[in-house]
Amino acid sequence: EPEVTQTPSHQVTQMGQEVILRCVPISNHLYFYWYRQILGQKVEFLVSFYNNEISEKSEIFDDQFSVERPDGSNFTLKIRSTKLEDSAMYFCASRVPGQGHTEAFFGQGTRLTVV
Amino acid sequence: AQKVTQAQTEISVVEKEDVTLDCVYETRDTTYYLFWYKQPPSGELVFLIRRNSFDEQNEISGRYSWNFQKSTSSFNFTITASQVVDSAVYFCALSEGGGSYIPTFGRGTSLIVHP
Repeated sequence: EPEVTQTPSHQVTQMGQEVILRCVPISNHLYFYWYRQILGQKVEFLVSFYNNEISEKSEIFDDQFSVERPDGSNFTLKIRSTKLEDSAMYFCASRVPGQGHTEAFFGQGTRLTVV
Repeated sequence: AQKVTQAQTEISVVEKEDVTLDCVYETRDTTYYLFWYKQPPSGELVFLIRRNSFDEQNEISGRYSWNFQKSTSSFNFTITASQVVDSAVYFCALSEGGGSYIPTFGRGTSLIVHP
């Protein structure tokens, strides 16, 4: 069964460092998302991406964040200068367009720990 | 604006008990979709069900059932004869008819099933 794949599963980084979280969405999906979940809290929307551009972003997604689909298969989230409060589980999701709101399929998540 | 409320933060039951997880939503749209996701202790988000606003038919899938009532803006989830493996955090999510179909999650209900 096709699935969304995220790497790495866990990343530890020092405050101020740049990190890139990687995702391979399901191949025929065209909408891509990043969400984050601070430990024990709700799953929060960060950004959606369609047709090679950001379609919507939340107030969390500030200038420190960027997304890219560099090669038609990967979908990356970059945090330029990490802060302690960026520590969270980051989920990538994708969905196929058409026929209303198809469900988003989520990856296993990347746990980012900023020290 | 959209909002999903899961008033139950944590529910604890003994195996074989039935349990209902509540979800109340708010939206001004007439077209919207509701979802339930399961997050087991391993952390991934697992899609369970999608329901559109025009389909109020209840659904049963094995021990799982969902009760969608537009009159009360609720989309409740019942697990019959709960099992220890059902222990997880369950999220209700909503996406509206317009825009980029971004699912917005409730805060989740942590279900603990004791043997």
